[in-house]
Amino acid sequence: ETGVTQSPTHLIKTRGQQVTLRCSSQSGHNTVSWYQQALGQGPQFIFQYYREEENGRGNFPPRFSGLQFPNYSSELNVNALELDDSALYLCASSLPQPSGGYTFGSGTRLTVV
Amino acid sequence: DAKTTQPTSMDCAEGRAANLPCNHSTISGNEYVYWYRQIHSQGPQYIIHGLKNNETNEMASLIITEDRKSSTLILPHATLRDTAVYYCIAGTTTDSWGKLQFGAGTQVVVTP
Repeated sequence: ETGVTQSPTHLIKTRGQQVTLRCSSQSGHNTVSWYQQALGQGPQFIFQYYREEENGRGNFPPRFSGLQFPNYSSELNVNALELDDSALYLCASSLPQPSGGYTFGSGTRLTVV
Repeated sequence: DAKTTQPTSMDCAEGRAANLPCNHSTISGNEYVYWYRQIHSQGPQYIIHGLKNNETNEMASLIITEDRKSSTLILPHATLRDTAVYYCIAGTTTDSWGKLQFGAGTQVVVTP
């Protein structure tokens, strides 16, 4: 097992720009979820993908969008970046209806200036 | 998903058992109790989960009260590497199984 890999680890963007974050799921995991974690807070659910389709979404605006590819890797796209989008973005993968827990990556630290 | 309540922080001496409480008084019958922890600058790490029976694995034990309104995570022999934020989450494994509702968690500091 290779675990969940996220790239890049750190990123600085300017307000109004667009950003794409990437995630490689753990081997055999066909479900991926994305979370946003602001400094000092717990992670907040953004959305989940299963078999390349979104099947759950948290309270985030449409400028947060995602993709899942046939190899189960995933992308998180954020358009029209705002200062409040500065956060740690976490990807988690799992089997569908996992008997255990979810495997998280170490995250991408996004700073919007 | 049921809301959970945890203490903001707690200290524990190295080598002693750490008992982390969690209240989930509105938990429904099909909701599990999950525990994750997050060491500084890393992603959350799954620890354990349970429905109503007590559970034990190589990392910890989970004790759930009979009425399921509260639970305790036990780290039997705390080490310095157990210093982390511990999250207690109540959720189902069906329609919301990808959507973990994290709260603020408990900051656990293990001291020598």
